[in-house]
Amino acid sequence: AQKITQTQPGMFVQEKEAVTLDCTYDTSDQSYGLFWYKQPSSGEMIFLIYQGSYDEQNATEGRYSLNFQKARKSANLVISASQLGDSAMYFCAMREVYNTDKLIFGTGTRLQVFP
Amino acid sequence: DTGVSQDPRHKITKRGQNVTFRCDPISEHNRLYWYRQTLGQGPEFLTYFQNEAQLEKSRLLSDRFSAERPKGSFSTLEIQRTEQGDSAMYLCASSYTGTENSPLHFGNGTRLTVT
Repeated sequence: AQKITQTQPGMFVQEKEAVTLDCTYDTSDQSYGLFWYKQPSSGEMIFLIYQGSYDEQNATEGRYSLNFQKARKSANLVISASQLGDSAMYFCAMREVYNTDKLIFGTGTRLQVFP
Repeated sequence: DTGVSQDPRHKITKRGQNVTFRCDPISEHNRLYWYRQTLGQGPEFLTYFQNEAQLEKSRLLSDRFSAERPKGSFSTLEIQRTEQGDSAMYLCASSYTGTENSPLHFGNGTRLTVT
């Protein structure tokens, strides 16, 4: 069965600093995709970044990068140069390509950026 | 690209009443998903469609829940005989046919309160 674990219920970071949000996953499939979403207090889910299980390089999208360690089954999100607008809930999610097409989400990490 | 649209944004109903939510996906997306999110949790998968076919339904989804996508465009989610435990945010998402790197694009959700 799929499982996504986010062990940090809350994180604080000072503006302009970098922060790492942890995500570990459990799957027996060889082909899967990992996603990170941001959910501000307004409620919408915003797609941030994707990492495929066969991708050899870590994904990057602007200030977001994904530290993918396949052997450890971890897919940590790194936000560089934090901004006040980064304050939100962050969810890690996984899709197993051949087993099912749904995304399974973790419980999330609340990030608060302070001046 | 007008995004995923959900209606209504908020619904308050009395226990035992039926409610119906609507979701309009991004027009070129053929996959449509329903999720439920309670406070402090990640989105929980309910069901998904490819075009008009319902491909998977969560075992957590009781018989009181039914979803349709009759013409492969918009979808409705109906909850019959609502219970207080149904109070949650109901999220709709859409995507292209599920390759592993297709992110889900979410709507702003319908917040249901059952009194």
